[in-house]
Amino acid sequence: ETGVTQTPRHLVMGMTNKKSLKCEQHLGHNAMYWYKQSAKKPLELMFVYNFKEQTENNSVPSRFSPECPNSSHLFLHLHTLQPEDSALYLCASSQDWRGGIEQYFGPGTRLTVT
Amino acid sequence: QKEVEQNSGPLSVPEGAIASLNCTYSDRGSQSFFWYRQYSGKSPELIMSIYSNGDKEDGRFTAQLNKASQYVSLLIRDSQPSDSATYLCAVNNPGGYNKLIFGAGTRLAVHP
Repeated sequence: ETGVTQTPRHLVMGMTNKKSLKCEQHLGHNAMYWYKQSAKKPLELMFVYNFKEQTENNSVPSRFSPECPNSSHLFLHLHTLQPEDSALYLCASSQDWRGGIEQYFGPGTRLTVT
Repeated sequence: QKEVEQNSGPLSVPEGAIASLNCTYSDRGSQSFFWYRQYSGKSPELIMSIYSNGDKEDGRFTAQLNKASQYVSLLIRDSQPSDSATYLCAVNNPGGYNKLIFGAGTRLAVHP
C-alpha cells in the first residue's frame, strides 16, 4: 500500500458544482496537510491538521472547506470554485506537529475548473 | 523579499557531471531544511533532509548547510538523465508548527 493516496487523480468541475477531494495516509502519521500547486508558482500551504485539529489556515477562501475525521483521512470540500482555482492539489503527511518533521506527499489531484 | 529563493533554471549538465543546486532563505530561525525532487506531472518526493551545519551524504546526493550564510545546497554526483526534474528546496517556518516554506524550484536537465 503506498504511503499517501489521493482520489480522484483528475477532476473537472463547473463553477457551480460541489465536489470533494480525499486523502488517506498509511504511515501512522499524526499531521496532514493540503497544498496547492499552480503553474510557475511555489507550493502554497492551505491547511494543516495535527491530531485531527486544524492548526493552520493560510488565508484560504471559504469555497475550500477541509475536514479531518481522524489522523489517517483528510478531505477538501470544494464549492463555487473559480477558474483560477485550477491547479494540482497535494496532500501530505508527517509524523507529528513538531516543526521540521519530513512531509510525504500523495500523488495529487489535478483540478480543472471550467 | 522571497522567503526561500532558488534559481529557476534550467540548469543543464552533461551526463556524469556534478549538478549543484542552490537555495537561500530569509528566516534566521529556521532549523530544518529539505530537498524534494518533482518529475513533470508528478508530486514532490523527499530526497534529503539536513538539520546541522555541514555536509550530509546519501548515495549520489550531498546536502550542504550553512546557517550563518542562510544557504543550503544539493550536489548530485554522476548525474544521470533520470535526474532531470525540478528540485524544490523547503525550509521550516519557526513560527508555525510544522509549516514548510517552499522555493519555486530549479529545473535540472541532464543531457546524454
